[in-house]
Amino acid sequence: EAGVVQSPRYKIIEKKQPVAFWCNPISGHNTLYWYLQNLGQGPELLIRYENEEAVDDSQLPKDRFSAERLKGVDSTLKIQPAELGDSAVYLCASSVTGFSGELFFGEGSRLTVL
Amino acid sequence: AQSVTQLGSHVSVSEGALVLLRCNYSSSVPPYLFWYVQYPNQGLQLLLKYTTGATLVKGINGFEAEFKKSETSFHLTKPSAHMSDAAEYFCAVSVVQGAQKLVFGQGTRLTINP
Repeated sequence: EAGVVQSPRYKIIEKKQPVAFWCNPISGHNTLYWYLQNLGQGPELLIRYENEEAVDDSQLPKDRFSAERLKGVDSTLKIQPAELGDSAVYLCASSVTGFSGELFFGEGSRLTVL
Repeated sequence: AQSVTQLGSHVSVSEGALVLLRCNYSSSVPPYLFWYVQYPNQGLQLLLKYTTGATLVKGINGFEAEFKKSETSFHLTKPSAHMSDAAEYFCAVSVVQGAQKLVFGQGTRLTINP
């Protein structure tokens, strides 16, 4: 069974440019998460989806960040415009419906903003 | 709100020695507690979890953790370290009520010396 797939793995952009990250969760997992992981820190939740509905986006900086999960399967996280402080790893995770605490993470997308 | 503190951002032990990674939590309601491991260039994966019942929980790769309510701790141990245990370890807390999300500690990098 395929795991959580993220792309791109690495991205380098100039500040003020847009960037997008894509995530395909494990088949059958209705819950999808985007986490931000700064260097030397633990992951912090940005947004959680139940199917296509964003049920927790309280930590998403909505002035520059947006996310979508139109068909309740794969998801895209966008930053526009990117700032230097956005350099980090963006992690996608998925889980079955009903909270068990077992999240399945992708390998992450590492963003460097110059 | 829940929070987790991991004592020591970097722990180094010799191969064959005891591994002890410390985690203290803060929660106003009975917590669910987790340990995740992140090997280099890989996504996070669940090591073990405590929800209810037995306070000593066993996980993969010989790791175990004990929930101590009186000490608000959930320390991770392994009797004998192996070179393959070198990784980043994250403690996380959640509650079923409310947000149903994981709050991670800042991580502890475990190094194994030959």
